[in-house]
Amino acid sequence: DVKVTQSSRYLVKRTGEKVFLECVQDMDHENMFWYRQDPGLGLRLIYFSYDVKMKEKGDIPEGYSVSREKKERFSLILESASTNQTSMYLCASTSHRDEKLFFGSGTQLSVL
Amino acid sequence: GENVEQHPSTLSVQEGDSAVIKCTYSDSASNYFPWYKQELGKRPQLIIDIRSNVGEKKDQRIAVTLNKTAKHFSLHITETQPEDSAVYFCAASSSNTGKLIFGQGTTLQVKP
Repeated sequence: DVKVTQSSRYLVKRTGEKVFLECVQDMDHENMFWYRQDPGLGLRLIYFSYDVKMKEKGDIPEGYSVSREKKERFSLILESASTNQTSMYLCASTSHRDEKLFFGSGTQLSVL
Repeated sequence: GENVEQHPSTLSVQEGDSAVIKCTYSDSASNYFPWYKQELGKRPQLIIDIRSNVGEKKDQRIAVTLNKTAKHFSLHITETQPEDSAVYFCAASSSNTGKLIFGQGTTLQVKP
């Protein structure tokens, strides 16, 4: 089975802190994605990557950046966390040959 | 960019009844339409998908229909069971962008 692992299930940070959310997949997938999930808003795409060192903005990239130095790892960075970034963050991956997304279990981030 | 609208936001049915969730999309280039189910506290998982060259697809008690002209697609669940209770997300993507854009989600409650 495909395994997408997010480093933390729950995270509490202070306003202004730099926050790193890590995601690792073990199926050699080319594509990786970061979504945030908020009640009533569904899953909104923050950033995605088609390959190592490549990144594309999603619909809500403001306040976020990403890093993909290795194929299996995709990191989401909050340069200066703000309270409106309190949310559930979901990482996902898929291969070029198949559009089925495999999700991680999510990181619930609270910014105080 | 692509926009996906999903209705209703909540749906309550009696066990054994049918449930229908509807989505509309804006980008006529979209050609892939998956549905994801997210049980409470768990990650979203693909339950069924349809491509733009097909009008309907069925898998046991669930079916998806697609109307390309009207740019809408629907999920149909027959003979609902309590374990169908979950949040359901529709999504759309095009091979041009590779981005999967989700609807706002529908919380389905099946009452025993």
